[in-house]
Amino acid sequence: AQTVTQSQPEMSVQEAETVTLSCTYDTSESDYYLFWYKQPPSRQMILVIRQEAYKQQNATENRFSVNFQKAAKSFSLKISDSQLGDAAMYFCAYRSRSNDYKLSFGAGTTVTVRA
Amino acid sequence: DAGITQSPRHKVTETGTPVTLRCHQTENHRYMYWYRQDPGHGLRLIHYSYGVKDTDKGEVSDGYSVSRSKTEDFLLTLESATSSQTSVYFCAISESQLAGVGPGELFFGEGSRLTVL
Repeated sequence: AQTVTQSQPEMSVQEAETVTLSCTYDTSESDYYLFWYKQPPSRQMILVIRQEAYKQQNATENRFSVNFQKAAKSFSLKISDSQLGDAAMYFCAYRSRSNDYKLSFGAGTTVTVRA
Repeated sequence: DAGITQSPRHKVTETGTPVTLRCHQTENHRYMYWYRQDPGHGLRLIHYSYGVKDTDKGEVSDGYSVSRSKTEDFLLTLESATSSQTSVYFCAISESQLAGVGPGELFFGEGSRLTVL
């Protein structure tokens, strides 16, 4: 099973500032998907951003962007212009294209936004 | 939003009793999953299904069984609940990505909080 590691249990950011969450993964495969999910206090799992491994260009969704370093097996999430509504737990996840069925998740990073 | 409904949303039970959680989807997606979420562990896969009556174990399947008799329903059963099964349980669905269709992500239900006393 693939291992996904989020080394930062908690991160704090000032409103309007930028925060970067780290994620590394272990795989021998060349084709896969990577995701960042957000889980606010409501507990709902919300997809933030998706990256396909064969695409070299880093994915961007509004204030959220990733730094995908395939050789280093690193997939960090940058939240720009942080807002109070960004406060949540963020999970990094990996999905193989050869083993079609499952996502492997990291342990999560709790983001606190200071007003 | 993906049409995924979990029931019950909250349940308190006693050690040794059977518990069944239900996941219902209206998206006709092929894959269905049960994950559990515990502090410090992220989400861990319990069981998954790749079609009607086709299921397989995930990484934390001991003490759990599943059934899928219809495309839209995926049941998770704890035959004899234990305190270690106190957790938040998430159902998720996904389309197959092998055919080159579908974006690959999972869509999640709202979670079911189970407390075993």
